[in-house]
Amino acid sequence: GAVVSQHPSRVICKSGTSVKIECRSLDFQATTMFWYRQFPKQSLMLMATSNEGSKATYEQGVEKDKFLINHASLTLSTLTVTSAHPEDSSFYICSAARLAGHYLGHEQYFGPGTRLTVT
Amino acid sequence: QKEVEQDPGPLSVPEGAIVSLNCTYSNSAFQYFMWYRQYSRKGPELLMYTYSSGNKEDGRFTAQVDKSSKYISLFIRDSQPSDSATYLCATKGTGANNLFFGTGTRLTVIP
Repeated sequence: GAVVSQHPSRVICKSGTSVKIECRSLDFQATTMFWYRQFPKQSLMLMATSNEGSKATYEQGVEKDKFLINHASLTLSTLTVTSAHPEDSSFYICSAARLAGHYLGHEQYFGPGTRLTVT
Repeated sequence: QKEVEQDPGPLSVPEGAIVSLNCTYSNSAFQYFMWYRQYSRKGPELLMYTYSSGNKEDGRFTAQVDKSSKYISLFIRDSQPSDSATYLCATKGTGANNLFFGTGTRLTVIP
């Protein structure tokens, strides 16, 4: 159990267009989902925390109007990169939190990631 | 100062070697310590987690936390080529969901 999917796995888009990335928890309900981005040879950088039915909380330096997050249900969160530019090219990874049933509390399960290339 | 520091490597070892991966962290409030394994172009998967100080063993993997020095270690015994991946350490505080990740260490085990 605890499978998280992301779609698409790879996307290439032209500069100025918008791209939507979906994150789904397939076999559990996730009250909280996280969105990260990862540049080559760098760590995961948290972009925003998304709770079902409420507005996402963005990390400092992340433009909320550029990276639109919607968490419409307990199993689906979407990240829309609006007016994408080449510098937005990155690996975007979502995670879904589930109560782990041990002292770790909530455990995050990661999706396989989406590689975005903006030309 | 970053919350978590990790040597990015890369690290290459022969098959069968003992691998030592390490991180340091800055916030003494962190109580939970995790190691994730990330294969190329995949999302991270949780390998091991520990709470507070001490050791935890799972097969060929041993996680060690020394809170007095804010030092986290992962040891891999009898390393295999299938262990080749990037290993990320992560921490979080009590009651928090946010994880703080290290940069990851890229490990290659040579057959």
